[in-house]
Amino acid sequence: QVQLVESGGDVVQPGRSLRLSCAASGFTFSNFGMHWVRQAPGKGLEWVAVISYDGGNKYYADSVKGRFTISRDNSKNTLYLQMNSLRAEDTAVYYCAKSQTALVIDPHYFDYWGQGTLVTVSS
Amino acid sequence: DIQMTQSPSTLSASVGDRVTITCRASQSISSWLAWYQQKPGKAPTLLIYKASSLEGGVPSRFSGSGSGTEFTLTISSLQPDDFATYYCQQYNSYWTFGQGTKVEIK
Repeated sequence: QVQLVESGGDVVQPGRSLRLSCAASGFTFSNFGMHWVRQAPGKGLEWVAVISYDGGNKYYADSVKGRFTISRDNSKNTLYLQMNSLRAEDTAVYYCAKSQTALVIDPHYFDYWGQGTLVTVSS
Repeated sequence: DIQMTQSPSTLSASVGDRVTITCRASQSISSWLAWYQQKPGKAPTLLIYKASSLEGGVPSRFSGSGSGTEFTLTISSLQPDDFATYYCQQYNSYWTFGQGTKVEIK
């Protein structure tokens, strides 16, 4: 069965960096686009970033553009989110989610989600 | 950017009730709409995609309808396992979620 397991969440000071990972199993990782979605404590869901099946296309929410970088290693079945210049408002549970398509330009929803990893940005 | 507005924000209901949640898009999204259920401390799970298609394994008491800018999620007979928060999501242009509707026990 499809499994997505996030890791790397931590407590970090404003302005610092953090890298999240999402280990995928139970499906052919290299055939599907992948997303990061976050949820601030007690708040709703916010889409963060998407990457196509081969890493060739990436898109970001305006709130993280220029600070966050999504990437993937298909040989390791792992998705990453490099977060730089972290701010207090980046505090959230970060979920990775699977697309049901390879190309991110095609309309698609998220058919599987990981359990999330908590990032807290605080001095 | 496409904005998604759900109503109500909170809904109090009893087991067996018919429940309807509305989601409105700020511009037409055709049928590119999904619904997710989220329980406290858990990840969201997909219920419905393309406005009315039921995801495999989801009970048939869940149904979705609508197109363009107006959409609804209906639970025909609320079960104890259905008390949760529900989110709509448009995927016509990037991805945007509604603010959520919490279904709580009356």
